[in-house]
Amino acid sequence: RKEVEQDPGPFNVPEGATVAFNCTYSNSASQSFFWYRQDCRKEPKLLMSVYSSGNEDGRFTAQLNRASQYISLLIRDSKLSDSATYLCVVNRPGANNLFFGTGTRLTVIP
Amino acid sequence: GAGVSQTPSNKVTEKGKYVELRCDPISGHTALYWYRQSLGQGPEFLIYFQGTGAADDSGLPNDRFFAVRPEGSVSTLKIQRTERGDSAMYLCASSREGTGYTFGSGTRLTVV
Repeated sequence: RKEVEQDPGPFNVPEGATVAFNCTYSNSASQSFFWYRQDCRKEPKLLMSVYSSGNEDGRFTAQLNRASQYISLLIRDSKLSDSATYLCVVNRPGANNLFFGTGTRLTVIP
Repeated sequence: GAGVSQTPSNKVTEKGKYVELRCDPISGHTALYWYRQSLGQGPEFLIYFQGTGAADDSGLPNDRFFAVRPEGSVSTLKIQRTERGDSAMYLCASSREGTGYTFGSGTRLTVV
């Protein structure tokens, strides 16, 4: 079983829509969770960390459900510039490296 | 520097050749990571340095892959006897303790 699993999409949504991505992780001992954004042929960039209490940054909301071992990202009022691949990322317990999901491709359509 | 710098940005090499990929991390970042990303996949961990030493090299796929960081700053990923399956984007990231990664823009390696 993969450490991190995501629906690869693609998700095609109209501008202004709300879209949600989920991912699941396999190791219950994981402690750090992140969402990264990756534009085509570019490097991944940290979008936001995910905390147990949930956190919000503008139009973006991240949630963590430890009991079910899943992480979600909600994007409200989608913009064309939100089109990218969103990577779910989980730390390897007891180590410093991170596990990345395969990413979910989002295209926001005018 | 202001960000993580990787050179070259693109490398085309013939099967069987030796290549070196360079990473210059953010100044003051003691942790340095190498990842490999194939098309349609997320980045896969290769090796992690804390200072000069390889703290975890469990992600290196085989003994053709080797990485060094002799002075605790710049790192070089070395691939011997390259194979077509080594073609991928090689990403370097650095971090300070307790912070997220900052990635470089990567080296796109193509083995023909």
